Amino acid sequence: DTAVSQTPKYLVTQMGNDKSIKCEQNLGHDTMYWYKQDSKKFLKIMFSYNNKELIINETVPNRFSPKSPDKAHLNLHINSLELGDSAVYFCASSQESSASGASEQFFGPGTRLTVL
Amino acid sequence: GQNIDQPTEMTATEGAIVQINCTYQTSGFNGLFWYQQHAGEAPTFLSYNVLDGLEEKGRFSSFLSRSKGYSYLLLKELQMKDSASYLCAVSDSNYQLIWGAGTKLIIKP
Repeated sequence: DTAVSQTPKYLVTQMGNDKSIKCEQNLGHDTMYWYKQDSKKFLKIMFSYNNKELIINETVPNRFSPKSPDKAHLNLHINSLELGDSAVYFCASSQESSASGASEQFFGPGTRLTVL
Repeated sequence: GQNIDQPTEMTATEGAIVQINCTYQTSGFNGLFWYQQHAGEAPTFLSYNVLDGLEEKGRFSSFLSRSKGYSYLLLKELQMKDSASYLCAVSDSNYQLIWGAGTKLIIKP
């Protein structure tokens, strides 16, 4: 039973296309995230989302939009794909953090996006 | 601004001990995480420190000094499978994780 799953694992597409990546978690967590990891392996937060609040990294282009049909899903939709969007995209989830401390994030297997 | 610094790459020998350092400057502090990431795979959780001191978990230990903005991950009895990137991440005042760029650890026989 996969805790955090993403589909597809690989995505190859042409510049200008619109694509979506799906993410589901079965851990009952409150918060979900999308990360981008580029060729230099730097992990960059794009969005964090729970049922109360969407936090957007202001450096993320508005071509990227998260969509959450319910607490267990957070999909990533990308419009007008560009060459620079090529990267590995990770979904993650965690329990909501509290006064007792921050919570561990569980990562999906990643989606390797290649834009041609 | 917020900043996490860790060495880009380290090399060690199988069976030896290696220490990976991480220094941070963040707006607030709600704990520091270490994650391991093998090539082509997702990061996986190794340790969490929120109080000063050493946390030991098998061959891996993690240390935190909040006053110095400093942590290290200590790996003992290195095995070839420990070859991976090790990511340091700090939870800030909003519980957002600020990530370091990762340290690529190469283990040689």
